Amino acid sequence: GDSVTQMEGPVTLSEEACLTINCTYTATGYPSLFWYVQYPGEGLQLLLKATKADDKGSNKGFEATYRKETTSFHLEKGSVQVSDSAVYFCALQSGGSYIPTFGRGTSLIVHP
Amino acid sequence: GAVVSQHPSRVICKSGTSVKIECRSLDFQATTMFWYRQFPKQSLMLMATSNEGSKATYEQGVEKDKFLINHASLTLSTLTVTSAHPEDSSFYICSARDRSGEVSPLHFGNGTRLTVT
Repeated sequence: GDSVTQMEGPVTLSEEACLTINCTYTATGYPSLFWYVQYPGEGLQLLLKATKADDKGSNKGFEATYRKETTSFHLEKGSVQVSDSAVYFCALQSGGSYIPTFGRGTSLIVHP
Repeated sequence: GAVVSQHPSRVICKSGTSVKIECRSLDFQATTMFWYRQFPKQSLMLMATSNEGSKATYEQGVEKDKFLINHASLTLSTLTVTSAHPEDSSFYICSARDRSGEVSPLHFGNGTRLTVT
C-alpha cells in the first residue's frame, strides 16, 4: 500500500538558517504530493503541492520538487523565520484513491 | 478559498457523557468529509470517512458505536463521542475536499481539543 516517510523531529534551527525536511514515499502509479503545515493549536493547511514528476511546488518561501526517480518530495526553505515554527506533514494521494496518506509529521522549532 | 469550520474548538466533559463535534464546509459542498484523531507527537489517525446521505466508512479498530458520524447535508458532518472516557481525550480534526472525484488537497477545520475528566 501507499506510505510516506518523514524525517523525525524536532528540527531546531536558528532564524535565517536553511531548512530541509526529508520526505520519501511508496505508491502505486503516479501520486500527487502535498505538504501541509499545522501551527500550534490549529488544524492543517495546505502549504504546497505537486501533481507530476519534476513539478516544483512553492509557497511562502518553501519549495519542494517531485522527484520520481528517488520517490522524494523534500521540503526546503532558504531562510526560516520564528513564525515558521510548526509541524509539517508530507502527504500523497494516488489517483485511484480519494483518501490521502500522511507522514507522521515533523516538528520545526525556530529560535530567534 | 475553501473554508472548513469546526466547533467547538475546546470542550471539557465528564466521563460517561456524550460530546458532539460539528464540521461545516462554509463556501463549498463536500460530499465526503474525513475525521482524524491526532495523538501526542502529532501523528494523524484517520478514523472514518463521512459520506453525505450514507453510512460512514470506519477505519479498522475504530468503534462505530462509540464514534457516531452523521453527514446529513452537503455542508455538515458531525462526530459524536458517546459515553466518553478519559482515554478519548484527544485532538479531533475534520477535513473535506471541495471537488469530488479529483485529486485535490484537503481543507481542514481548526480541530477540537476534547478533554474527558
